[in-house]
Amino acid sequence: AQTVTQSQPEMSVQEAETVTLSCTYDTSENNYYLFWYKQPPSRQMILVIRQEAYKQQNATENRFSVNFQKAAKSFSLKISDSQLGDTAMYFCAFMKHNNNDMRFGAGTRLTVKP
Amino acid sequence: NAGVTQTPKFRILKIGQSMTLQCAQDMNHNYMYWYRQDPGMGLKLIYYSVGAGITDKGEVPNGYNVSRSTTEDFPLRLELAAPSQTSVYFCASSYGPRLDTEAFFGQGTRLTVV
Repeated sequence: AQTVTQSQPEMSVQEAETVTLSCTYDTSENNYYLFWYKQPPSRQMILVIRQEAYKQQNATENRFSVNFQKAAKSFSLKISDSQLGDTAMYFCAFMKHNNNDMRFGAGTRLTVKP
Repeated sequence: NAGVTQTPKFRILKIGQSMTLQCAQDMNHNYMYWYRQDPGMGLKLIYYSVGAGITDKGEVPNGYNVSRSTTEDFPLRLELAAPSQTSVYFCASSYGPRLDTEAFFGQGTRLTVV
């Protein structure tokens, strides 16, 4: 079974600074997808960024980027120029190729301080 | 454009009672999902559906039932509520087989079983 581990229950960062959220996963699969979701206080789940395991290039979406280390099974999220609106729970998630069962980590609560 | 609508938003059940959590989407998505989110945990897949008349179990299906008679609706039924089912329930839908493909989540239903 796939497991996803987020070792940082809570983190904080000053506005405009950079923060990195950690995620590791365990799988014997070779083809899979990794995701970072944001859950603000409204409880809505919002996809931040995704990475296909077969792609070596790290995904980037504006201020959000990942450091994907396939051999180490690590998938960290970097948020640059943090904004107050980035305050939320962040979930790392894993999904096998052609499978609808997405496995989530326990989440990291990020607070951006003014 | 309502997206994914869940009702009710909050509910308190007594042990042994039954209820149905409603989920409707107006985007003509084939894929729909039910997740539960326990305190301090990520989301776990209960059931999913790849189209009307087709449902399948996820990671934690015990104690729940679903049906998918139409493309729009995907209700989740709890037959004999137990305290272990106290959680926040999320319904989601997507156009394609992967949650990240135009994926939309509902606002969640907070259920307490006492």
